[in-house]
Amino acid sequence: QSALTQPASVSGSPGQSITISCTGTSSDVGGYNYVSWYQQYPGKAPKLMIYDVSNRPSGVSARFSGSKSGNTASLTISGLQAEDEADYYCSSYTSGNTLVFGGGTKVTVL
Amino acid sequence: QVHLVESGGGVVQPERSLRLSCAASRFTFSICGMHWVRQAPGKGLEWVASMSSDGGSQYYADSVRGRFTVSRDNSKNTVDLQMNSLRAEDTAVYYCAKGRAAFWLTIDHWGQGTLVTVS
Repeated sequence: QSALTQPASVSGSPGQSITISCTGTSSDVGGYNYVSWYQQYPGKAPKLMIYDVSNRPSGVSARFSGSKSGNTASLTISGLQAEDEADYYCSSYTSGNTLVFGGGTKVTVL
Repeated sequence: QVHLVESGGGVVQPERSLRLSCAASRFTFSICGMHWVRQAPGKGLEWVASMSSDGGSQYYADSVRGRFTVSRDNSKNTVDLQMNSLRAEDTAVYYCAKGRAAFWLTIDHWGQGTLVTVS
């Protein structure tokens, strides 16, 4: 049950686009289309932003999009805004009927 | 709006036990898988355990298997986490989370969490 690999931090200026990667294996990210992305502000509960690789829940801004290629999933935030500054976590279903999370990425808006 | 409220957290000595509870409302609890996820202070999210909607399937992280037990009562809309033989490394905020209806082994809503300190 090794954690998925995410960059520790990503930054961008307002209006720019940034992409956060999430690398796993063929037993998790690469093997299933059950990758989710969560946004978490300090001291708050996580919030679902993307599910099933690329689907947005109702109410989530269209500036957030997800994709996957092989064993790596990605979250792209377009038109970066100050309110996007938060921690982001990916997660995936695994072949062992478990869930695994990434280590988290801190997004900083410059 | 899905509502999940955890309770039972607190300070506990190593090797002792603690039981967390999660009260669910505003959704059809009996058809949803439920999960526990924890977050140690200043660290990332760690999946702990999952239980299917009927309670027939339970899955655990290697770090807690044999010490933690998840259970649910569909008549009361609650899911519990019994934690035994607690260790310092179990110190974390424990979140109760709801599985998606379409595929229960993914999470779509989270509670606010309850802090467990083992010391």
